[in-house]
This record gives sequence, structure tokens and C-alpha cells, in this order.
Amino acid sequence: EAQLVESGGGLVRPGGSQRLSCAASGFTFNTYSMIWVRQAPGKGLEWISYISSSGNVIYYADSVRGRFTISRDNAGNSLYLQMTSLRVEDTAVYFCARHQTMAEGFDPWGQGTLVTVSS
Amino acid sequence: DIQLTQSPSFLSASVGDRVTITCRASQDITYFLAWYQQSAGKAPRLLIYAASTLQSGVPSRFSGSGSGTEFTLTIASLQPEDFATYYCLQLDSYPRTFGGGTTIEIK
Repeated sequence: EAQLVESGGGLVRPGGSQRLSCAASGFTFNTYSMIWVRQAPGKGLEWISYISSSGNVIYYADSVRGRFTISRDNAGNSLYLQMTSLRVEDTAVYFCARHQTMAEGFDPWGQGTLVTVSS
Repeated sequence: DIQLTQSPSFLSASVGDRVTITCRASQDITYFLAWYQQSAGKAPRLLIYAASTLQSGVPSRFSGSGSGTEFTLTIASLQPEDFATYYCLQLDSYPRTFGGGTTIEIK
């Protein structure tokens, strides 16, 4: 069974940095694109980044472009999100998910990891 | 960017009711639309993809329809575990975008 487990969340000061990890198991990681989605407290879902299976195609939402960097380690079955210049409005639960075909959407998702940006 | 407008934002219903949620796209996305269910404190769960294809393991009371700019998610007979928030997601172009969500509460 495909499974994703995020880690790395916590409390960080405004302007600080944080690195999130997503460990994949139960599927051939290097054949799937991956994404990050976040959800601010009490709010809806926001897609923030995509990385292709090989890592050579990357997209970002405008809200994080230039501050966040997505990457992957196919040998280690892991996805990462390096976050810098964090703002209070980046406070959210961050989910990683497998991006299936264009028509099939994101599935499965990890359980999420909470990042709180506060002074 | 493609905007997705869900309606209603909030729905009060009873067990056994038939409910329909609408998702309208700001431009033609053919059939590149998925529906998710999210219960409190949980990750989203894929229900429907390609506008009308039921994800494996999802009960048949859930169905999706539509194409182009107008889509619907229907729950034929609400069950207690269906009281949750539902989101549509467009997969036609980047940035991927979600609808604002529809919360179904118990009447």
C-alpha cells in the first residue's frame, strides 16, 4: 500500500527557515511526480508546488515562488520542501501527495505536518 | 489562473438525504477535475477523478458528472461518515487550484 509520511514541522520565527520531508513507501517513488499542498488553520486547500518524477520539471504557486524550494531524492524515496523567509501567513498544515496522471489527481496524501510561524 | 467556485459553501442535511455540490471553473478544463472529502483533522481523500470516475474503494453513493466548466458531486444517500468538507480540484493547468470547499453538517 502506498504511504507518505511528512516530518519537519514546528514553530519558527518570521524570516526563518524550515525544511519539510516526506518519506514514501509502498510504490515505485521514482516513477511518480509529487506535490505539496498546504492548509492554513480553518481555511481551504492551497496547492504550492510540483516536481516531476526525475526532478527536472518544477512549478510553484506565486505565494511561495522565490522562497520555497521543492526537491527529491529518488534513491532515498524522499520529497523535500525547503522554506525560507517564512511569514506569519505561511502558518499551515503541509501535506505531500503523489501526483498521478493528469486526470487522476493527487493520491495518496500524507497525514500532514504543522508549521507555525510566530514570534 | 483557473478559478473554481463551489456552491454552496455550507449545507445542512440529514442522514439519507440526496445532496449535490456544484463546482464551476473560470475556463474550460474538459474533464480534468477531481473531488476530495476531508474530515476534521484528516488528510483529504480522493473520491472522484476525471470528473466522473469513482476512486477504488469509494462507496457507490458518490458520483460525479460534468465537463467543460460545470461539474457536480452527488451523494445519493448521506451517511453519518459523509458529514465533512468537500473540495474540487482542477488538473488542467498550473497552478493547480482548489474550490473553496463545501461543508456538510448534520441537520
